[in-house]
Amino acid sequence: DTGVSQDPRHKITKRGQNVTFRCDPISEHNRLYWYRQTLGQGPEFLTYFQNEAQLEKSRLLSDRFSAERPKGSFSTLEIQRTEQGDSAMYLCASSPRTSGGPGDTQYFGPGTRLTVL
Amino acid sequence: DAKTTQPPSMDCAEGRAANLPCNHSTISGNEYVYWYRQIHSQGPQYIIHGLKNNETNEMASLIITEDRKSSTLILPHATLRDTAVYYCIVRAPDSGYSTLTFGKGTMLLVSP
Repeated sequence: DTGVSQDPRHKITKRGQNVTFRCDPISEHNRLYWYRQTLGQGPEFLTYFQNEAQLEKSRLLSDRFSAERPKGSFSTLEIQRTEQGDSAMYLCASSPRTSGGPGDTQYFGPGTRLTVL
Repeated sequence: DAKTTQPPSMDCAEGRAANLPCNHSTISGNEYVYWYRQIHSQGPQYIIHGLKNNETNEMASLIITEDRKSSTLILPHATLRDTAVYYCIVRAPDSGYSTLTFGKGTMLLVSP
């Protein structure tokens, strides 16, 4: 399968612990997005990478959150000192670069569900 | 990006057409209408997008009104696997990058 993959699928942690999630985008997709989704809500944008450059961060991305995409391929999202409010589904999406036109079609992974106890 | 309004839930009988409406009265002339869906515990899945003309692909049809203030996503023969939350999103053309702004969507329940 050549879709977007995320690991782990589920993570349970205690408040105050650090967690790291990984996203492997579709091969040769140079755009990568992270979203967060809480229960009953649609996904909310967190951050965006063009190749290895992090070009945009949402205000939702507090200083406890950090994302990297070191070689322009896979990406990691780390949350430090987790809080119960961080419990959510963390979704990764990738897309090929386009210029002009209708905008890129984003392909989502299955998400990582985080539960902070 | 313009805001969209969708009914919170809809029901559909299996095998019948599911027509999901979306209002986007403040849409700008260059903004596209996108539809995604999210099956329970999965990531969102792209369905279709359009600008002015009606569009059809293997998954669905998109009907956009002439004034572009509303649209309807049509699943011609709904199956139980189409049960999902359907999101209507309005986006500007790609001028660099463009995130997706999701609302709460419409929960479509397809019943036997």
